[in-house]
Amino acid sequence: EAGVTQFPSHSVIEKGQTVTLRCDPISGHDNLYWYRRVMGKEIKFLLHFVKESKQDESGMPNNRFLAERTGGTYSTLKVQPAELEDSGVYFCASSPTGTVYEQYFGPGTRLTVT
Amino acid sequence: GQNIDQPTEMTATEGAIVQINCTYQTSGFNGLFWYQQHAGEAPTFLSYNVLDGLEEKGRFSSFLSRSKGYSYLLLKELQMKDSASYLCAVRNSGYALNFGKGTSLLVTP
Repeated sequence: EAGVTQFPSHSVIEKGQTVTLRCDPISGHDNLYWYRRVMGKEIKFLLHFVKESKQDESGMPNNRFLAERTGGTYSTLKVQPAELEDSGVYFCASSPTGTVYEQYFGPGTRLTVT
Repeated sequence: GQNIDQPTEMTATEGAIVQINCTYQTSGFNGLFWYQQHAGEAPTFLSYNVLDGLEEKGRFSSFLSRSKGYSYLLLKELQMKDSASYLCAVRNSGYALNFGKGTSLLVTP
C-alpha cells in the first residue's frame, strides 16, 4: 500500500510569488491534515479535512493560505503571496474514518522563501 | 494554550536503555502519541496512550500519567538505527495533534 505522498519535495521561491503544494493521502483515507514546521519550532497543525469538507482550520495562519480538497481525494495548499516567514517544512497526514489515533505522515515539502 | 516539553537532545550507547520524558499542560486531553522521525523523512507512529499506565510494543514502551501530565518513551536494546528525533504529541479535542519540539537521540557504538 502506498503511503502519503507530497509534491514537490523541495520548493524555492521568491517573496511575493505563489506556491502550491500537493498531498496525496493513502487511498481510502477520509481524513487529511496539513501541518508545518518552521525552523527551530515544533510541528504545528494547520487544518483538517474530512473528505472534501474543512473540519477544522483553526491553525491556518492567515488568508494567504488556501487549502482545497476537491473530490475528497488529493489536497492542495496554496500560499499567495509567499512571505519569508512561510519558510519551513509542510507535512501532510491522513487517517481512515473511525481511527481514533494514528495519523500517517508524508515526507513533507521543504519550502524556502527568499 | 498548550505547552509540551521534552529534552532537546539525548545520547545513549548501543544496547542500552533510554527514557525520553514528555510533560504537557493542555486545555484538554484525548490521547498522547509518540512519533519517530529520521532526518528528511516522514514522522512514523510509535505509540498511543489514552489511559494511565504502560503500553509495550516490542523494544518500545510508552507510559502515561494523566494526573501528572507526564509521559515517557522507553527504548530498550538500543540499535544504531534508533538514532532519530522522537516527537511527543497530545490530542486535545478534535483530531489535531499538538507536538513538542522533539528529542534528538544519538545512539553511539
